[in-house]
Amino acid sequence: KQEVTQIPAALSVPEGENLVLNCSFTDSAIYNLQWFRQDPGKGLTSLLLIQSSQREQTSGRLNASLDKSSGRSTLYIAASQPGDSATYLCALHQGGSEKLVFGKGTKLTVNP
Amino acid sequence: NAGVTQTPKFQVLKTGQSMTLQCAQDMNHEYMSWYRQDPGMGLRLIHYSVGAGITDQGEVPNGYNVSRSTTEDFPLRLLSAAPSQTSVYFCASSYSRLGTDTQYFGPGTRLTVL
Repeated sequence: KQEVTQIPAALSVPEGENLVLNCSFTDSAIYNLQWFRQDPGKGLTSLLLIQSSQREQTSGRLNASLDKSSGRSTLYIAASQPGDSATYLCALHQGGSEKLVFGKGTKLTVNP
Repeated sequence: NAGVTQTPKFQVLKTGQSMTLQCAQDMNHEYMSWYRQDPGMGLRLIHYSVGAGITDQGEVPNGYNVSRSTTEDFPLRLLSAAPSQTSVYFCASSYSRLGTDTQYFGPGTRLTVL
């Protein structure tokens, strides 16, 4: 059974710092991995989607990498801003399945 | 495009009552799904659909029913509400049948069962 782990559960950083969020998974047979952002009381917004054949994706200040062999993905946020404060979730589309398997998220707080 | 819409935003039910959570998307997506989000449990898949007329069970389907008569709509029915169904419910959709594209989520329905 696929298990997705996100460590740390919470992270607090000062504004302007570069930071890395981690996502690890136990089964490398995945179609893709997505990183989502969730603001309090809101739905999820997809940030980046990495297909299994890709190594990384970039969007603005965000860069996500995928290493299937080690079962890890990272989300790099450059020059963090208070508006980046949210919970970040990673989710895998498992091969042979029609569902996403989610981690429990990392709650990020960027302090002005 | 309105994207994925969900109604109602909040709902309080008594144990044993039934209700339908509505979900609609205007992006002509084939794949739609329902998740529940509980503290400490993350998001768990309830039911999903790969197209009109086709539905299947997810990880936690008991107590819920779905149907997909049109591409746009995917309602979730609670047959006899229980306190264990207190949760936030999210509907999601994507273009691809296999869900290999970006998933779009609705704003959620916060349900409390007393």
